[in-house]
Amino acid sequence: NAGVMQNPRHLVRRRGQEARLRCSPMKGHSHVYWYRQLPEEGLKFMVYLQKENIIDESGMPKERFSAEFPKEGPSILRIQQVVRGDSAAYFCASSPRDRNTEAFFGQGTRLTVV
Amino acid sequence: GDSVTQMEGPVTLSEEAFLTINCTYTATGYPSLFWYVQYPGEGLQLLLKATKADDKGSNKGFEATYRKETTSFHLEKGSVQVSDSAVYFCALPPYGGSQGNLIFGKGTKLSVKP
Repeated sequence: NAGVMQNPRHLVRRRGQEARLRCSPMKGHSHVYWYRQLPEEGLKFMVYLQKENIIDESGMPKERFSAEFPKEGPSILRIQQVVRGDSAAYFCASSPRDRNTEAFFGQGTRLTVV
Repeated sequence: GDSVTQMEGPVTLSEEAFLTINCTYTATGYPSLFWYVQYPGEGLQLLLKATKADDKGSNKGFEATYRKETTSFHLEKGSVQVSDSAVYFCALPPYGGSQGNLIFGKGTKLSVKP
């Protein structure tokens, strides 16, 4: 059973471009979480999704950031008009249920905005 | 709101030394508590967890006890190895949140020298 797959592992974007980060959860997992890790910081929760639904987006910046988890295919974190401050590692985690289960993390996508 | 405070690193130890990484928390209610480990270039892996007061989580020689009186969940290992070099994160789910939606400490980087 493959783990949580994130791609790309590394992404370089120029200021003003769009960044698309993909996350394929573990097989059988219907809950996906996105986190951002700034340099020298811990992980900060961004958004929690189930298939076709955003459950909790309390950690998402109000502008330029969006996330989806369609019925088919991976979850996508989209950052429009990237700025240097968006440079960070973005981690995805998945779990089979909401509560009382471990969430499994992917290896992350390291976004660099130049 | 809920929060996690970890001792700042980096921590540098010689092989076979005793390790303690302090973690204290502020929380509504009595959430589960977690330690995650992040090896270089990797995502986070759950190291151990405790679900209620006085529970002791353990894995790979690491232990942590859920102390309600001192609101602490310190990580310990009796004899560290070079392969334990990593960043360690203490975490808890916010009140009413799922276990995939976690509040993380800033992380403590451990370097073990041969």
